Amino acid sequence: AQTVTQSQPEMSVQEAETVTLSCTYDTSESNYYLFWYKQPPSRQMILVIRQEAYKQQNATENRFSVNFQKAAKSFSLKISDSQLGDTAMYFCAFMFTQGGSEKLVFGKGTKLTVNP
Amino acid sequence: DTGVSQDPRHKITKRGQNVTFRCDPISEHNRLYWYRQTLGQGPEFLTYFQNEAQLEKSRLLSDRFSAERPKGSFSTLEIQRTEQGDSAMYLCASTSLGVGETQYFGPGTRLLVL
Repeated sequence: AQTVTQSQPEMSVQEAETVTLSCTYDTSESNYYLFWYKQPPSRQMILVIRQEAYKQQNATENRFSVNFQKAAKSFSLKISDSQLGDTAMYFCAFMFTQGGSEKLVFGKGTKLTVNP
Repeated sequence: DTGVSQDPRHKITKRGQNVTFRCDPISEHNRLYWYRQTLGQGPEFLTYFQNEAQLEKSRLLSDRFSAERPKGSFSTLEIQRTEQGDSAMYLCASTSLGVGETQYFGPGTRLLVL
């Protein structure tokens, strides 16, 4: 079974600084996708960034980038120039794509607070 | 806005009562998922529909839970004889057919069982 581990329950960062959130996963599969989702307080979950496991190049989306280390099964999220609106729970998620439902398996999340 | 919608947003019920939640996915999305999220945890998969067919159910989905997606459009999740342990946020997500497609989430229904 696939598992996702986020080892940092809470983190804080000053506005405009850079922060990195950690995620490791365990799988024996070779074809899969990885996601970071953001869940602001009392608001719905939205996609931050997505990575295909077969792509060696790390995904980037504006201020958000990942460090994908397939051999180490690591998928960290870097947020540059942190903004107050980045305050949220961040969930790392794994999707196995060989047949079946392509359901997401989530980590427990990291609560990020951006301080002014 | 044509995102995923869920109704109601909040539900308070007494133990032993039945509750039903509704999810309206993004209109062109064939796949629909239900997840449950308890405090301090990430969402956990409950069940999956492709069009109107329920193709996978988690072992978390006890026989008190039933989900439907008639006509492959909206979906309902019913919990019979609710228990305090059912208190959680119930999330719905939808996506189009394709490999590794992004799932788009609704705002969730927060259930409190007293």
